Amino acid sequence: QVQLQESGPGLVKPSETLSLTCAVSGYSISSGYYWGWIRQPPGKGLEWIGSIYHSGSTYYNPSLKSRVTISVDTSKNQFSLKLSSVTAADTAVYYCARLVLWTTYYFDYWGQGTLVTVSS
Amino acid sequence: QSALTQPRSVSGSPGQSVTISCTGTSSDVGGYNYVSWYQQHPGKAPKLMIYDVSKRPSGVPDRFSGSKSGNTASLTISGLQAEDEADYYCCSYAGSYTFDGVVFGGGTKLTVL
Repeated sequence: QVQLQESGPGLVKPSETLSLTCAVSGYSISSGYYWGWIRQPPGKGLEWIGSIYHSGSTYYNPSLKSRVTISVDTSKNQFSLKLSSVTAADTAVYYCARLVLWTTYYFDYWGQGTLVTVSS
Repeated sequence: QSALTQPRSVSGSPGQSVTISCTGTSSDVGGYNYVSWYQQHPGKAPKLMIYDVSKRPSGVPDRFSGSKSGNTASLTISGLQAEDEADYYCCSYAGSYTFDGVVFGGGTKLTVL
C-alpha cells in the first residue's frame, strides 16, 4: 500500500521560505510516476502547486512558479517543496500526492496533509 | 488558467440521485478526457472517486459515475447515502501555450438531507 506523509514547520514567518518534505513508503519513487504538491487554504478549494518526476523533471503552476522549487531525493524516497517569500495568503493545508499520467492524469494516493500558517 | 466552475452546494435525500457539474474550457475539460473527481470529508485528505471522465478506481461504489459533454463534466451519485455527505472537487489536465498542468474546481458541498 502506497503511503505519503508530509512533514515540516507548522508556522512560518512572512517573507521567509516554507519548506516541506513528503516521505513515500510502499513504493519506490525511482520506479516511476510523477509526484505532486497541492494546497488548500482554510475553507477554500484545492490548488495545484507543481509536480516532479523521479528524474527531476518539474512542472509548476505559473501563478506560483517564481517562488516554488520542488526537488526529489530518491535515496531517501522523498520529495520536497520550497515556497519563498511567503505571505498570509500562503496559509493552507499542504498535501503531497502521487500523480498518474501518460494517457491519463489523476492523483491516486494522497498524504494526510499538513497545516502551514504564515504569521509573525 | 482559471479554476473550473462548480456549484457551491447541492443536496438530496437518501436514496435519491444528485449530479454535480464542472465547467471549464476547450483548454482543459473540453480538450482532454482527463477529468477526475475527488471526495473530501472534513479534516481529511481528498479521495479519488472518478478518473478519465468515467472510470472508477477499485473500491469505489458503482453508485458514483462520471460523464462529459463539451466543456462540462458531471459527477452523478445515485442511491444517496449519509456517508456521501462531503465536498467534491473536479480536476482536469490543462494544456495551452502558457499552462501545462492541473486545474481544480472550486468544490461542491453535498448535503444529504
